[in-house]
Amino acid sequence: QQPVQSPQAVILREGEDAVINCSSSKALYSVHWYRQKHGEAPVFLMILLKGGEQKGHDKISASFNEKKQQSSLYLTASQLSYSGTYFCGTGIGTSYGKLTFGQGTILTVHP
Amino acid sequence: NAGVTQTPKFQVLKTGQSMTLQCAQDMNHNSMYWYRQDPGMGLRLIYYSASEGTTDKGEVPNGYNVSRLNKREFSLRLESAAPSQTSVYFCASSDRDSRNQPQHFGDGTRLSIL
Repeated sequence: QQPVQSPQAVILREGEDAVINCSSSKALYSVHWYRQKHGEAPVFLMILLKGGEQKGHDKISASFNEKKQQSSLYLTASQLSYSGTYFCGTGIGTSYGKLTFGQGTILTVHP
Repeated sequence: NAGVTQTPKFQVLKTGQSMTLQCAQDMNHNSMYWYRQDPGMGLRLIYYSASEGTTDKGEVPNGYNVSRLNKREFSLRLESAAPSQTSVYFCASSDRDSRNQPQHFGDGTRLSIL
């Protein structure tokens, strides 16, 4: 079953912060985050594994709450280059090698 | 450093025609995937191959077939194209179990079926 992302879209000014959430109804083994710019391929941002580990990548970080089957992506001090569609991909224990992607969150950063 | 290469980049077909989408990776990855992307639907898995010689159905396999030709190449075939198969198709690869490894995507094939 597809994970649910919220919000569906968010509009920011440069320097503002945003949070994108990803929720699943299944017990999660891992959560991936990808960013896709218009007309391009998705690009990997980070993976979070069971254990609630928080990861960071420049000013983009994420957390994984395995008890709630949720992950959140945090974008701080947003830049114009952050604009794009963000997808979470979830892996479950019984589906070796497969991810199920959410429907995406469109992030637009204005000057 | 090519990564994942897909051909063709664009294609227009008539209903009922057949075609094969090609994908090759040069990262020595074991696992390869085919997704379709439709507006508002995210990426949906069509087929995947965990290793050379194996393939398995994903979420939306109907109307498609795949071949894992060797470790590098994974092709997707539409035997009788239908307008509902108009979409952007992405091939991806990962090292073994992509639950804990990044997936690397090709640039996509934009397919229109009239």
